[in-house]
Amino acid sequence: EAGVTQFPSHSVIEKGQTVTLRCDPISGHDNLYWYRRVMGKEIKFLLHFVKESKQDESGMPNNRFLAERTGGTYSTLKVQPAELEDSGVYFCASSQDLGSSYNSPLHFGNGTRLTVT
Amino acid sequence: DAKTTQPNSMESNEEEPVHLPCNHSTISGTDYIHWYRQLPSQGPEYVIHGLTSNVNNRMASLAIAEDRKSSTLILHRATLRDAAVYYCILREGGHNNAGNMLTFGGGTRLMVKP
Repeated sequence: EAGVTQFPSHSVIEKGQTVTLRCDPISGHDNLYWYRRVMGKEIKFLLHFVKESKQDESGMPNNRFLAERTGGTYSTLKVQPAELEDSGVYFCASSQDLGSSYNSPLHFGNGTRLTVT
Repeated sequence: DAKTTQPNSMESNEEEPVHLPCNHSTISGTDYIHWYRQLPSQGPEYVIHGLTSNVNNRMASLAIAEDRKSSTLILHRATLRDAAVYYCILREGGHNNAGNMLTFGGGTRLMVKP
């Protein structure tokens, strides 16, 4: 099966610009997650979709970040306007819903490296 | 989420077993113990998970202490490809999708010497 794919792999933008990251989860995976690692810090949870609904968005840093998952398939994460501190690697992950979802592993993409200058 | 404690780094020789420890003294009865690893320039990769009993899969073994306050990830024969950061994570058990996310700590950087 194809893994989780993220696009683009790298993005360099100027402060104040807008960037949209895309994630295609594994087909059939209802759960989709966004995480990020900013420079020198640990990987942090951003939010969790179940199908098209936001289950948990407690990790979203502020209202400059907007995540969508229309139709419950791929997801986008838009940063508008981007700030310097948004630089880092943004990971997407997906998992099956096996009824007891805490038992189902997360499959991660290779991330999008975002650099804001 | 309950916290885990891991050594910052460990070294191993190629083709020797590696035991990666993790302490989780505040684990609750419904927390699962998950291990992920992150190779350079890649996203995290699932390794193994368990609740109470020891677990084996094609990648590794997970040994869980009887009181569940600690666990050990065992790589039976380390290869150069196993050099990565290994994360021990407690994941809430629950009856719905809440608490599904993983909380990453600093992990253990495993270096494998040829």
